[in-house]
Amino acid sequence: GQNIDQPTEMTATEGAIVQINCTYQTSGFNGLFWYQQHAGEAPTFLSYNVLDGLEEKGRFSSFLSRSKGYSYLLLKELQMKDSASYLCAVRGSSNDYKLSFGAGTTVTVRA
Amino acid sequence: SAVISQKPSRDICQRGTSLTIQCQVDSQVTMMFWYRQQPGQSLTLIATANQGSEATYESGFVIDKFPISRPNLTFSTLTVSNMSPEDSSIYLCSVSGTGATYEQYFGPGTRLTVT
Repeated sequence: GQNIDQPTEMTATEGAIVQINCTYQTSGFNGLFWYQQHAGEAPTFLSYNVLDGLEEKGRFSSFLSRSKGYSYLLLKELQMKDSASYLCAVRGSSNDYKLSFGAGTTVTVRA
Repeated sequence: SAVISQKPSRDICQRGTSLTIQCQVDSQVTMMFWYRQQPGQSLTLIATANQGSEATYESGFVIDKFPISRPNLTFSTLTVSNMSPEDSSIYLCSVSGTGATYEQYFGPGTRLTVT
């Protein structure tokens, strides 16, 4: 089975940094994805990690440790538009490309 | 990334009826998926829509309740049958990209309310 855990809510101030942690226990592993979902909208792809280490993409970075079953998404220089739900998802197999999603972390950015 | 459209965008239906949701992609894709997102919750995979063969359903989802068609590489439908209020949810289709990461791209979703 798949078990993916992330905090329910986080609040931060505009301009600050927030780190969203994700731990997973899955029957297989073939990549970890982060998605952003604004209220009432579809999820949009943010990042992908399959090897250990940090992937940086502008203000967003994602880190993976496969041995620890752990990832984080780092949001820097927070803007009001970053208020959204952030979903951690794991692909367990390279054969079917299915994703298992965590419950999501709602980030609220305050002025 | 693929451009995905869904019809209808929302609907209010009476219990016991059925609704068919369409998903159209602007390019041919191999993998298409259907998800459900209940209010305030994350995404749950219903099934993988296979072109030319029966869909592959996840645990807890059955073909009689959620029949799926995939007649070609750009189109799929999901039917929610014999609806009850518990089926009120957002239904999203997604496709896998063709890049090295095979990330999934999501359609805008269909918001279904069953009364």
